[in-house]
Amino acid sequence: DSGVTQTPKHLITATGQRVTLRCSPRSGDLSVYWYQQSLDQGLQFLIQYYNGEERAKGNILERFSAQQFPDLHSELNLSSLELGDSALYFCASSDPTNRAFFGQGTRLTVV
Amino acid sequence: GEDVEQSLFLSVREGDSSVINCTYTDSSSTYLYWYKQEPGAGLQLLTYIFSNMDMKQDQRLTVLLNKKDKHLSLRIADTQTGDSAIYFCAESKTGGSYIPTFGRGTSLIVHP
Repeated sequence: DSGVTQTPKHLITATGQRVTLRCSPRSGDLSVYWYQQSLDQGLQFLIQYYNGEERAKGNILERFSAQQFPDLHSELNLSSLELGDSALYFCASSDPTNRAFFGQGTRLTVV
Repeated sequence: GEDVEQSLFLSVREGDSSVINCTYTDSSSTYLYWYKQEPGAGLQLLTYIFSNMDMKQDQRLTVLLNKKDKHLSLRIADTQTGDSAIYFCAESKTGGSYIPTFGRGTSLIVHP
């Protein structure tokens, strides 16, 4: 168990809908990362938050947004969903040495 | 080219040693990591090495780092069927904003 908790584990939704993925980092970790894993793109970095503030952005679409709350949990919001958004979405938190600890992921299926 | 490169597949027989290779481009990388992903699961941190080290051993796992060639390898001794998974190499630097960069992963298939 990495100590990072993601909910839900599975999500099936229709195109055009909006979903929210939730992540609780390891106790004491201030940094949260979101990654998307698909078969053709591998593990793609989306966005990082550090102690409530956005720190870095990767290949995140404008339809996607995230935030980190004062209790350090984070949410990833995906809107106007398309079939191509179907993927595994991982959250990770890191310690000061940048060792990233991953949650079990949310498998999103858009139908 | 990509920042972190790995071969996509490796097939070995049970009981043999597996060697998974990785090359990276950032010479200022401070930490290099190996992660394991089993089907349907998240990435599990297996081991990591500081860039000022050449080798790290942890039970059946041996990590070798050639900093000059920017080459990292993971050797799994006495490979078991339970070692079948995707292995990701990653690199990062210290600091709050540096993003761990991952390779595309090597699928290790262990045959009985």
